[in-house]
Amino acid sequence: QKEVEQDPGPLSVPEGAIVSLNCTYSNSAFQYFMWYRQYSRKGPELLMYTYSSGNKEDGRFTAQVDKSSKYISLFIRDSQPSDSATYLCAMNRDDKIIFGKGTRLHILP
Amino acid sequence: DGGITQSPKYLFRKEGQNVTLSCEQNLNHDAMYWYRQDPGQGLRLIYYSQIVNDFQKGDIAEGYSVSREKKESFPLTVTSAQKNPTAFYLCASSEVRLYGYTFGSGTRLTVV
Repeated sequence: QKEVEQDPGPLSVPEGAIVSLNCTYSNSAFQYFMWYRQYSRKGPELLMYTYSSGNKEDGRFTAQVDKSSKYISLFIRDSQPSDSATYLCAMNRDDKIIFGKGTRLHILP
Repeated sequence: DGGITQSPKYLFRKEGQNVTLSCEQNLNHDAMYWYRQDPGQGLRLIYYSQIVNDFQKGDIAEGYSVSREKKESFPLTVTSAQKNPTAFYLCASSEVRLYGYTFGSGTRLTVV
């Protein structure tokens, strides 16, 4: 079983819809959970960072962590065409961060 | 502005040649990392360094080499021993206690 699993998509949704992106993980020792957004031909940029179970909100973005189920989610409200990108979940192990493979998201105008 | 600069953005190399990718940061971060990104493979760790003059192999270090002579700089050399070097290479940095990485904009290497 891989340490971090993420559906690669692509996921296509109409503009204005709520988007739900998810990852599962197998290592209960993971402490910090992150979401990165990567536009085509660019480096990833950190969107959300959390270290506890529950929800964290930042504008249109909400990160959710369920440590008992080893499941994390990123919700995007009122999605915009500019949200079209690849979203990578990430979590730390020892002194390194483990990344999911990323989900490609397309927001249709 | 603080950040990470990778150069060049695009690089072409002939088979059998070594090539060095540059990564410079002015964030005063202690740790620096090199990742390779291929379609469908996600990010794979090549090398990382947590302090000057010290570095460790990542998951796919074969055919690569690095140096860390200055805190700001972490160049990656792709040697001729790397069998499939065409990829998108990303450099990142972080504070040692891992509050997330800051990434550069990447170098796309193509072997011709």
